[in-house]
Amino acid sequence: NAGVMQNPRHLVRRRGQEARLRCSPMKGHSHVYWYRQLPEEGLKFMVYLQKENIIDESGMPKERFSAEFPKEGPSILRIQQVVRGDSAAYFCASSPGLAFNEQFFGPGTRLTVL
Amino acid sequence: QKEVEQDPGPLSVPEGAIVSLNCTYSNSAFQYFMWYRQYSRKGPELLMYTYSSGNKEDGRFTAQVDKSSKYISLFIRDSQPSDSATYLCAGRMNYGGATNKLIFGTGTLLAVQP
Repeated sequence: NAGVMQNPRHLVRRRGQEARLRCSPMKGHSHVYWYRQLPEEGLKFMVYLQKENIIDESGMPKERFSAEFPKEGPSILRIQQVVRGDSAAYFCASSPGLAFNEQFFGPGTRLTVL
Repeated sequence: QKEVEQDPGPLSVPEGAIVSLNCTYSNSAFQYFMWYRQYSRKGPELLMYTYSSGNKEDGRFTAQVDKSSKYISLFIRDSQPSDSATYLCAGRMNYGGATNKLIFGTGTLLAVQP
């Protein structure tokens, strides 16, 4: 009974490169959330997706960031032209649906931008 | 003003002590309140959630919500060194709002000394 899986666990990119973070939700879960954790700032909501739909992207930066959750395969958080300020831990969470309160978090991807 | 405020600590207590962790929130639309525990460099783990005002107990943990004062508390009885972690409180609106995003406090770092 695997939990939420994220890969890679650690990602190093140089400024200007692209970062792709992957999240596989728990089995049976169709809702995925992405959060970013900056030092001393806590977890900040970025985007909420269901299969093939973005439900709430109110926390996503307007530029360079995009997310998808295709019909098949993991959810992808994509950061184009990374800058040093993108360095953070990115966490994915999943839940079975709206009526369920529990969001189960993955281990996170730690992005370092050089 | 942040929607959820939390003292970052650190909070250091001796083993066996009763720990009180607290948050305040400003969004009157919050209906669900969660406590997550996060060990260093790990993903958050849900400890408890409560709906609206009231108390909820689970083993050594008790969660309290006072909506009149917008105050959230987590009590840990007979604290153990293994309880040493960052504790995150979060609020969420009712799922009828078509979003499930969690709004987190910055977290309180707890150290239980053996």
